[in-house]
Amino acid sequence: EVQLVESGGGWVQPGGSLRLSCETPGLGGLWMTWVRQAPGKGLQWVADISPDGSERNYADDLRDRYTVSRDNARNSLYLDMNSLTADDSSIFYCARDVGYGTFDVWGRGTVVTVS
Amino acid sequence: QSALTQPPSASGSPGQSVTISCTGTNRDIGTYNFVTWYQQHPGKAPKLLIHQVAKRASGVPERFSGSKSGNTAYLTVAGLQADDEADYFCCSFAGGFKIFGGGTKLTVL
Repeated sequence: EVQLVESGGGWVQPGGSLRLSCETPGLGGLWMTWVRQAPGKGLQWVADISPDGSERNYADDLRDRYTVSRDNARNSLYLDMNSLTADDSSIFYCARDVGYGTFDVWGRGTVVTVS
Repeated sequence: QSALTQPPSASGSPGQSVTISCTGTNRDIGTYNFVTWYQQHPGKAPKLLIHQVAKRASGVPERFSGSKSGNTAYLTVAGLQADDEADYFCCSFAGGFKIFGGGTKLTVL
């Protein structure tokens, strides 16, 4: 069974930066996505990246501060976030996209707290 | 990229059926047959239920079904069971972007 494991979350001061990671064997070959969920709120699609990393899409309100990348040789997906505010406090999930927004496998999430 | 619109809550008694709506626009649900539904229990990661509007994910009971009409998608849960009590989120492909609904909390009375 495919497992995704996120890491890198934690506490950060407003204005700070953070890099999240998501590891899974056999990362290459699939689109990967990041989704976040603020405390007590719904899901928000953040960004995704093509199998070879050449294509990236972002939510309009996050594209200026977030950068998604991947290293298939290291079986890793990344999300770099900067200029963080309290509104960025969320659980961040990575998920495997098997096509057009079908996220069939999710990690357990990593918690980011901006305070 | 406005969120899809879902009712905040829905409820039903065990054995009954409930339908949750998800309304978008002609830039997302109305154009693409790539609507997905996710179930999320408290403290857990979301779980894929339905993809491509009406296809059940592997292992999902037949009690869960999806459909679409115009700019609105629907998730129907038949034969409600206690474990169906959870949050449900719709999501649509929108030409490179993905948009989630605000979520519906389903209560089994």
